[in-house]
Amino acid sequence: QKEVEQNSGPLSVPEGAIASLNCTYSDRGSQSFFWYRQYSGKSPELIMFIYSNGDKEDGRFTAQLNKASQYVSLLIRDSQPSDSATYLCAPHRNYQLIWGAGTKLIIKP
Amino acid sequence: DVKVTQSSRYLVKRTGEKVFLECVQDMDHENMFWYRQDPGLGLRLIYFSYDVKMKEKGDIPEGYSVSREKKERFSLILESASTNQTSMYLCASSPTGRGYEQYFGPGTRLTVT
Repeated sequence: QKEVEQNSGPLSVPEGAIASLNCTYSDRGSQSFFWYRQYSGKSPELIMFIYSNGDKEDGRFTAQLNKASQYVSLLIRDSQPSDSATYLCAPHRNYQLIWGAGTKLIIKP
Repeated sequence: DVKVTQSSRYLVKRTGEKVFLECVQDMDHENMFWYRQDPGLGLRLIYFSYDVKMKEKGDIPEGYSVSREKKERFSLILESASTNQTSMYLCASSPTGRGYEQYFGPGTRLTVT
């Protein structure tokens, strides 16, 4: 079992809809969680992080965390074609990021 | 803006060659990382460094070594390149105390034939 599990996709979402990206992790010692976005042919970039159970909103992005269920999600509202990318989930543990393999998101105009 | 640069965008080497990949950051970051990224496997940490001349093994250090003689420069060395080291290599840096806030270079696509 991988430490961080993400559905590889591709996840296809119509423009303007809500995209929901999910991530589960196995290490209960992880306390903070990060979402990176990686456009095709580019490097990852940090877009969101969450430390506490519940929701955290930043513009069109909402990160959700449920530590009891070891589940993290990223919601993207009003999806745009420019949101098409691979989204990497990364719990933080012992000064390192533990990377998921990513979910490829495609926003269809 | 943080800038992380890598010495080559594309590199083709032969089996058995010694390969040097260089990474330079201009933001005075203490932490630097080398990853490889393969389809379906995500980012895998090869080595990282928290200070000059300091290095720590990551998850897949076998076949690799690193050097950090100056704060801004972190080099990855493939002692004897093999075909299974064909991959995208990504360097990253992060500020002190914020190892999660990683800034990546553009990557080096290495092909070993």
